[in-house]
Amino acid sequence: DGGITQSPKYLFRKEGQNVTLSCEQNLNHDAMYWYRQDPGQGLRLIYYSQIVNDFQKGDIAEGYSVSREKKESFPLTVTSAQKNPTAFYLCASTDGQGAITEAFFGQGTRLTVV
Amino acid sequence: KQEVTQIPAALSVPEGENLVLNCSFTDSAIYNLQWFRQDPGKGLTSLLLIQSSQREQTSGRLNASLDKSSGRSTLYIAASQPGDSATYLCAVRPIKAAGNKLTFGGGTRVLVKP
Repeated sequence: DGGITQSPKYLFRKEGQNVTLSCEQNLNHDAMYWYRQDPGQGLRLIYYSQIVNDFQKGDIAEGYSVSREKKESFPLTVTSAQKNPTAFYLCASTDGQGAITEAFFGQGTRLTVV
Repeated sequence: KQEVTQIPAALSVPEGENLVLNCSFTDSAIYNLQWFRQDPGKGLTSLLLIQSSQREQTSGRLNASLDKSSGRSTLYIAASQPGDSATYLCAVRPIKAAGNKLTFGGGTRVLVKP
């Protein structure tokens, strides 16, 4: 089955700790994205990557970092600089260009600061 | 800057009634519009993609229309069932946005009562 796999499903972080969220896709999509979802605020874009070894900041990149060493993988690190990391994190990928571009999402990782 | 609005934020209907969900956007320069479903604690599932040149798309009990000139899309769900209870989000892909990025609405939370 083709799709996007996010792990872990739940993650707990202590104050001052860095944590990494995994996102793997087997859809052969070039572009991948990380979104953050908070209650009442909708989805906000953290980082995106259109091609291997290249990525761009989204609207709320501060306190986060990413890498794109392989087409299939786009891990997100939440650093200690992110002051309010408790949220639901969603990874997505897209195929095609322009009007036929369709986004597909993983099942999400819920991060909680303890 | 593109803004996407979904009103109402929440909706409750009796089983069997047709659902009408609204999505409005401020800039008509879009490649496409996508409707998603999100169950509590889960990722987003793509329901329908409407390209900018299309007026509507249908899948089973779902029908989505697009009026690009007025900046509106409507998702119709016929003969609602309790299993349709979820949050529905719309997202547009602006032509001016780099990286095939999506702009999301805040979602409409739907409850279908048996």
